Amino acid sequence: DQQVKQNSPSLSVQEGRISILNCDYTNSMFDYFLWYKKYPAEGPTFLISISSIKDKNEDGRFTVFLNKSAKHLSLHIVPSQPGDSAVYFCAASPAPGAGSYQLTFGKGTKLSVIP
Amino acid sequence: EAQVTQNPRYLITVTGKKLTVTCSQNMNHEYMSWYRQDPGLGLRQIYYSMNVEVTDKGDVPEGYKVSRKEKRNFPLILESPSPNQTSLYFCASLGGSGGYTFGSGTRLTVV
Repeated sequence: DQQVKQNSPSLSVQEGRISILNCDYTNSMFDYFLWYKKYPAEGPTFLISISSIKDKNEDGRFTVFLNKSAKHLSLHIVPSQPGDSAVYFCAASPAPGAGSYQLTFGKGTKLSVIP
Repeated sequence: EAQVTQNPRYLITVTGKKLTVTCSQNMNHEYMSWYRQDPGLGLRQIYYSMNVEVTDKGDVPEGYKVSRKEKRNFPLILESPSPNQTSLYFCASLGGSGGYTFGSGTRLTVV
C-alpha cells in the first residue's frame, strides 16, 4: 500500500513558467511533509518542508501548499529555470515528537524545464 | 563541510560474497538511515538508527544488516548478496528543519 503517491512520473514545463508538482498521502498520522530534489549521480537534497499546522510555506521561488483535509500537497516553482530539471520526491513523516523520524517517500516526479 | 560520506560509490560483486557499504556523518546527528532507490519504486527505507546501539527495520530490511557502534558511522552489511539487491543505495542522517542530509549514493550490482 503506497502511503505517499506522486501520480505524475514526469512533467515538462517551459522556462519562466510555473511548475506544479503534486503529492497525495493516505496516512492520517503524517504530520510533517518535505520535498527533496535529486540530480543524476547525486543524493537527494532537502528543498522545503511544511508542518500540518500550516497550509503554506515559501522559500524564494519554491512554495509548498498543504491541504490537510484532502491529504494533498503541492510544490510550486515560479519561475521555472533549466537548473530546476531534476527528480522531485515528496516525503512524509509522523510528528517529530512522536518518537519516529521515519520518512516515507513517493516514487518521484521527473521535472524537465525546457529553455 | 557538513556531509554524509558513503563508500564505495560503485561496486560490482558476485552472489553470496559478503560486502559492507560504509557511511559516516560529521554533523553529530543521532538519527541515521539507509534507503534504496529502484526504478518506479522511489526511495524505500531499509534500516534506521535513532542513536548508538539503537537500530530498527524499515520497509525492506530482508537481506540486510546494520550496526551503530558509534554515532558517526552506520554501515550497511549484505551477508549474502543476491541479484535482487542490485540497486542504488543512499545513507542519510537527520538534522535541521526535519530534513535529511543524504550521501552521494552507492550503485551496487550483484551478478
